Amino acid sequence: AQKITQTQPGMFVQEKEAVTLDCTYDTSDPSYGLFWYKQPSSGEMIFLIYQGSYDQQNATEGRYSLNFQKARKSANLVISASQLGDSAMYFCAMRAENTGGFKTIFGAGTRLFVKA
Amino acid sequence: DSGVTQTPKHLITATGQRVTLRCSPRSGDLSVYWYQQSLDQGLQFLIQYYNGEERAKGNILERFSAQQFPDLHSELNLSSLELGDSALYFCASSDSGGDTDTQYFGPGTRLTVL
Repeated sequence: AQKITQTQPGMFVQEKEAVTLDCTYDTSDPSYGLFWYKQPSSGEMIFLIYQGSYDQQNATEGRYSLNFQKARKSANLVISASQLGDSAMYFCAMRAENTGGFKTIFGAGTRLFVKA
Repeated sequence: DSGVTQTPKHLITATGQRVTLRCSPRSGDLSVYWYQQSLDQGLQFLIQYYNGEERAKGNILERFSAQQFPDLHSELNLSSLELGDSALYFCASSDSGGDTDTQYFGPGTRLTVL
């Protein structure tokens, strides 16, 4: 069965420091996509970064990078130089083929608090 | 702004009623997805349409139905509403709907069933 696990319900980080949000996944499909989304208190879901299962290099988007370790089935999000505006809920998601087509499943999320 | 629009932003209704949520995808996107986010279930995939046809189905109740119209906008119909249907309903869109597609989310419709 396909599964996404985020084991950190909440994380604290000091402003300007880096933080790693953990995500592990499970799928038997060799082709899949991994995504991270940010949900601020206002409620919208903001796309941050994408990693494909066949990508050789780790994805980066500005201050966001994805530490992709395929053998360990992990796709951790690293946020460098944290800002107060990074305080939000962060979701890891996986899109893979399942019974009835490609489906996206989300982890339970990690709430990040950035301290001044 | 993701380019995906959803209306209404908020909806308050009573148990047993029926509501329709509307979504317009980003310009050029052919695929539309519906999600339900609740405190107890988290973010759950409901259904996906691609160019007017159902492409994948998730945890969508039989009381719920959706469709995508020729102009690519989509509607999610929720009927015989129960208290437990109170949630934030997201629509997302992507260009083709494959495994590597990035989905861009709309602002959501917050449904409250009293």
